[in-house]
Amino acid sequence: EVQLVESGGGLVQPGGSLKLSCAASGFTFSGSAMHWVRQASGKGLEWVGRIRSKANSYATAYAASVKGRFTISRDDSKNTAYLQMNSLKTEDTAVYYCTRAVSAEFDPWGQGTLVTVSS
Amino acid sequence: AIRMTQSPSSLSASTGDRVTITCRASQGISSYLAWYQQKPGKAPKLLIYAASTLQSGVPSRFSGSGSGTDFTLTISCLQSEDFATYYCQQYYSYTITFGQGTRLEIK
Repeated sequence: EVQLVESGGGLVQPGGSLKLSCAASGFTFSGSAMHWVRQASGKGLEWVGRIRSKANSYATAYAASVKGRFTISRDDSKNTAYLQMNSLKTEDTAVYYCTRAVSAEFDPWGQGTLVTVSS
Repeated sequence: AIRMTQSPSSLSASTGDRVTITCRASQGISSYLAWYQQKPGKAPKLLIYAASTLQSGVPSRFSGSGSGTDFTLTISCLQSEDFATYYCQQYYSYTITFGQGTRLEIK
C-alpha cells in the first residue's frame, strides 16, 4: 500500500523553528518528487514547495510566501522527506500535508500534521 | 503566479442530481489540471488528472473536461458520499496553485 505519514507538528512561538518529516512506503520513493501543501483552518489548499528526485538534481521550488524561510530536503536511504520551517509567523499556522507527484498530479496524500504558531 | 478561480464557491444539491463545477485559469495551462475531493478532517483525494483522466478507483459518475483556461468537473448522479469540498489545481507552471474550493452541500 502506498502510504505517507507526516510527523513533527506542534506548537511553536513566532520566530521559532520546526522540522516536519514525511515517511513514505509502498512505492519507489527515490524516484518521486515530493511536495508539501498546507491548509489553514477553514481555508483552502496552499502549495508550499517541492523537491525533485536525484535524477533531477534534487531541485527545489517554493511558494513566494515561504521562500527564504522554509527548506525542503529528503533522505532517500530513509524514504523520508523533510520540511524545515524557520522564522515562523502566525500565518503559517495550518495542517501540513506531504504528497507525491505521480507525473505531476498529487497522489497519495499523508494524513497531515498540525503546526500552530502562537505566543 | 497562475490564478485558479472556481465557481460556484458553494453549491446545494440533492442525491441523484447532476452537478457541474467550473475552474478558470488566469492564463492557458493546456490540460495540466487536476481535481481533488476533500472531506472534513481528511486529506484531499485525487479524482481526475490531465483535465479528463479518471484516477483509478474513482467512480465513473465523476468526469472532467476542458483545456486552455476553462475546465469543468461533473458529477452525473450525486451520491451521499459525494458531499464534500472540491479543488482544482494547475501544474502547468513552476509554482503550483489551487482554486479556492467549491463546497458541495446537501439541499
